[in-house]
Amino acid sequence: QLQLQESGPGLVRPSETLSLTCTVSGGPISSSGYYWGWIRQPPGKGLEWMGSIYYSGSTFYNPSLKSRVTISVDTSKNQFSLKLTSVTAADTAVYYCAGHGTLDYMDVWGKGSTVTVSS
Amino acid sequence: SYELTQPLSVSVALGQTATITCEGNNIGSKNVHWYQQKPGQAPVLVIYRDNNRPSGIPERFSGSNSGNTATLTISRAQAGDEADYYCQVWDSNTAVFGGGTKLTVL
Repeated sequence: QLQLQESGPGLVRPSETLSLTCTVSGGPISSSGYYWGWIRQPPGKGLEWMGSIYYSGSTFYNPSLKSRVTISVDTSKNQFSLKLTSVTAADTAVYYCAGHGTLDYMDVWGKGSTVTVSS
Repeated sequence: SYELTQPLSVSVALGQTATITCEGNNIGSKNVHWYQQKPGQAPVLVIYRDNNRPSGIPERFSGSNSGNTATLTISRAQAGDEADYYCQVWDSNTAVFGGGTKLTVL
């Protein structure tokens, strides 16, 4: 059974780059045709999908964030990562990693990583 | 961009049936997925592709999708069903979530 775990700094300064990593356990990241995505949730608000990546490196992003988001994969470490540039307080959120089929449901989620943007 | 509209809140008496709607332009032509999120926890998939339950999800949870409205139905509501519920679709290679509905069990 696949499990996901987010890791990364809990505090990021404004204008800097937010970086998070999601480690996949219980199977290879190339398994079962999964895509691997990032979803965030600002305090008291709803879910926002940021983008997803296939183990081959193929990516697709939310158009509203595309200019600031990069998602990459490291199959040797069974990890995928998120970078969000030029952060502001509006990027303060819980960041989740999740797995999903091709344009399909998200059935495996990490527990979430809280990131605060503040000086 | 595609938008999904959910009611902010729904209340249901214990043991009764709760209905949560998700409205979107011609949503009936898309696969709709539903997630349950309890405070401080990650979302959990409760319905996928309109009306399918993942393993471990009670039969009390069901879904439908037609026209411009998808619906999540929770029968015989229990206190443990109290949570936020989100619908989700894919549109133009973009995952779109509804704004979420807070279900209160009275």
